[in-house]
Parts: sequence; C-alpha cells; structure tokens
Amino acid sequence: GAVVSQHPSWVICKSGTSVKIECRSLDFQATTMFWYRQFPKQSLMLMATSNEGSKATYEQGVEKDKFLINHASLTLSTLTVTSAHPEDSSFYICSAEPTGQALSYEQYFGPGTRLTVT
Amino acid sequence: GNSVTQMEGPVTLSEEAFLTINCTYTATGYPSLFWYVQYPGEGLQLLLKATKADDKGSNKGFEATYRKETTSFHLEKGSVQVSDSAVYFCALRAGTALIFGKGTTLSVSS
Repeated sequence: GAVVSQHPSWVICKSGTSVKIECRSLDFQATTMFWYRQFPKQSLMLMATSNEGSKATYEQGVEKDKFLINHASLTLSTLTVTSAHPEDSSFYICSAEPTGQALSYEQYFGPGTRLTVT
Repeated sequence: GNSVTQMEGPVTLSEEAFLTINCTYTATGYPSLFWYVQYPGEGLQLLLKATKADDKGSNKGFEATYRKETTSFHLEKGSVQVSDSAVYFCALRAGTALIFGKGTTLSVSS
C-alpha cells in the first residue's frame, strides 16, 4: 500500500512550451502533497506545499506564476511548468501525506519526473 | 536556518561489512529526524525515524540515534547486503517541510 505515482516519468520539451506533471496517490487520500526539485548530486529542495481545494504554498524563491500547482482532488496534484526554459531542466519529485496522519510525519514519495528542456 | 549535512559518497563496501553514514543537522527547536532510502528506479522510502532526543530508530537492520548534544543522526548497519545498494538521504522535519541532505550512494559488492 501507500503508493504514489508520477506521470510522465520523463519528458523532453522545447523552450517556451508548458509541461504538466501529475502526482497521484493510488491507494490513499492525501489532503497535502509536496513538490520537490532535485539537481544532480544535490538534495531535494521543497518547491511548494499543495493543499486540496486551496492555493498552494510556495517556498521562498519559487516563482508561483511559473510553477503552477493544482490539487483538485484528494488523490491528484499537478505541477505545470509554464514557458519552460533550459534552466528548468531537473528532476521533479512529489510526495503525499495521508489524510489525518500529519502527526505520523509519513510522506510517501513518487518515483520522480525527469524534465529536459531543449 | 534549518539544514542537514551528510557525508558525501559514494560509499563502496563488501557484503557483510559495517556501515556508517554520518549525518549532522542545524535546526531551531526540536526537529524530527529521518533516514530515507531510494532504490534504483523507485521513489524515496522512509527507512527509519526518531522524533526526540535519545530516540533510536531502527528498521531492516539499520539504526540511528537522535543525539541532541552532537546534533547528529548517524545511520549504521552491522552487516550490509548487496540489496542495500541505494541512495540514502538524511532529513529533518520542522513544521510540515522536510529538509534533506544531499544523499549518499551506497554500493555493496558480493
């Protein structure tokens, strides 16, 4: 149980286009999901916290107009990279926290999405 | 601010060797501490956690003790297996956000 999927697993897009990444909790509901970005040989950096039915909370330095997050249901959050540029190329990882289990500190991670912008 | 520093890899060991991966942290207050593991092609999985000083987290033969006096949470295993080859991340949680170290790649050969 407690599986999180991401789609696509990798994507290549041209500069200036937009890309949508999906994060799904397959066997549990998640009021809260998190989006991370990972550079090669670097740690995961939290980009934003996504809450079902409300606006996402972005970390300092993350452009909310560039990285659009929508958490429309208890099992799905999407990250859209708008007007992508080569510097947006990275590994994007989502995680989901089961509803009602915040105090357990458990987050379940997706396998990540490799974005390459040419 | 909050941060996590863990030893850089890669760490290469023979099967049944003893493993230590060092992790130290900087935090205000009393964070919870975690070790996550990422096997090839898979998402991060929680390996173990400790929520207060002197707590010992353990799972699958791995252990780590929350040392407040040295702000450390070192990961240890007495006898590693080939199947333990993965990337290991130390992390702390203060509030809702997880703050990760850079990860340490462990490679175990038979």
